[in-house]
Amino acid sequence: DVKVTQSSRYLVKRTGEKVFLECVQDMDHENMFWYRQDPGLGLRLIYFSYDVKMKEKGDIPEGYSVSREKKERFSLILESASTNQTSMYLCASSLLDGRLEQYFGPGTRLTVT
Amino acid sequence: ILNVEQSPQSLHVQEGDSTNFTCSFPSSNFYALHWYRWETAKSPEALFVMTLNGDEKKKGRISATLNTKEGYSYLYIKGSQPEDSATYLCAFAAGNMLTFGGGTRLMVKP
Repeated sequence: DVKVTQSSRYLVKRTGEKVFLECVQDMDHENMFWYRQDPGLGLRLIYFSYDVKMKEKGDIPEGYSVSREKKERFSLILESASTNQTSMYLCASSLLDGRLEQYFGPGTRLTVT
Repeated sequence: ILNVEQSPQSLHVQEGDSTNFTCSFPSSNFYALHWYRWETAKSPEALFVMTLNGDEKKKGRISATLNTKEGYSYLYIKGSQPEDSATYLCAFAAGNMLTFGGGTRLMVKP
């Protein structure tokens, strides 16, 4: 079974803090994705990566950066957390094929106070 | 940003009812259409990945159809059970990324 793990299930941070969310997958998938989920808005893509050290902006990259130093690990960084970044963050991975079937991690619920 | 819309936003049905939801997506540059089920406190899981116009997929009591020419997909659940309660997401694949709809939240009452 594909396994995608995220470093924390729940996280509480203060405004202005630098926040790291880590994601690891064990199936040698080329693609990795970071989404956020807010009520009524579905999943929105923040960033994705199709290879080590490669990254592409998604629909809502502002206020975020990412890092992919190893194929299995994809990190989302909030340089200076703000209250409007309170959300559920989901990581996913997929093969680099036309299907893009996503395997999701359990999510991190981040609260910024 | 691509426009992927799902309706209804939420649905309450009685156990045993059959139900269906709609996903509409752009009819051009089609690669694939995904359906995911997202149960509370769990990760979203893929139900179907559909790639061909006219595709019909089935998994137990759940089935889906695809019309790429007019840009819509239907998800059907026959004889809903309480364990079907979840949010159902569709996603349109274009290039190397998915665009998700807002989801349909299904609640099945025993």
